[in-house]
Amino acid sequence: GAVVSQHPSWVICKSGTSVKIECRSLDFQATTMFWYRQFPKQSLMLMATSNEGSKATYEQGVEKDKFLINHASLTLSTLTVTSAHPEDSSFYICSATVGNQPQHFGDGTRLSIL
Amino acid sequence: AQRVTQPEKLLSVFKGAPVELKCNYSYSGSPELFWYVQYSRQRLQLLLRHISRESIKGFTADLNKGETSFHLKKPFAQEEDSAMYYCALTANAGGTSYGKLTFGQGTILTVHP
Repeated sequence: GAVVSQHPSWVICKSGTSVKIECRSLDFQATTMFWYRQFPKQSLMLMATSNEGSKATYEQGVEKDKFLINHASLTLSTLTVTSAHPEDSSFYICSATVGNQPQHFGDGTRLSIL
Repeated sequence: AQRVTQPEKLLSVFKGAPVELKCNYSYSGSPELFWYVQYSRQRLQLLLRHISRESIKGFTADLNKGETSFHLKKPFAQEEDSAMYYCALTANAGGTSYGKLTFGQGTILTVHP
């Protein structure tokens, strides 16, 4: 139980393109979803917290207009990297939770901007 | 601000040897501590939660508030324990930051046959 699916797992696109990443909780309804970014050989850094039906809360230094988060239902949150540039290349990971339960993580999405 | 420090990036032991992965934290309130594990080509998954006070796969971790540590221990390491281990912290329930995890840098554990 408690499976989180993330799609796509890997995307390569040209600079200036917008890229959407989906995070789905497959067998539970997630009250909260989190988006993390991980640079090579570094730890996971929280980007934003997303609650269903409300605006995401972004961490300091994360541009909300750059990283658009939509949490339209209890099982789906999306992260859109708008007008992506090479410096946005990274590993993006989502997690989902219910109430005060531990977070369950997706497999991550490797984003490469050429 | 909350911070989690894992001083060892790499840790190698032989099968059957004891292993301890260190984790120290900095937080002004009462935190909740976790250990997450990531096996090769798999997603991050919860290993231990300090409030559960349980042993998973032979691993234990005790929260030491005096030393602000949450070291992960196993008396006899197995080859299948080889993985990346992350220590993480969140504010205690009721706090405004509850649920938001702060991760350490991670420790790669390699258990040799």
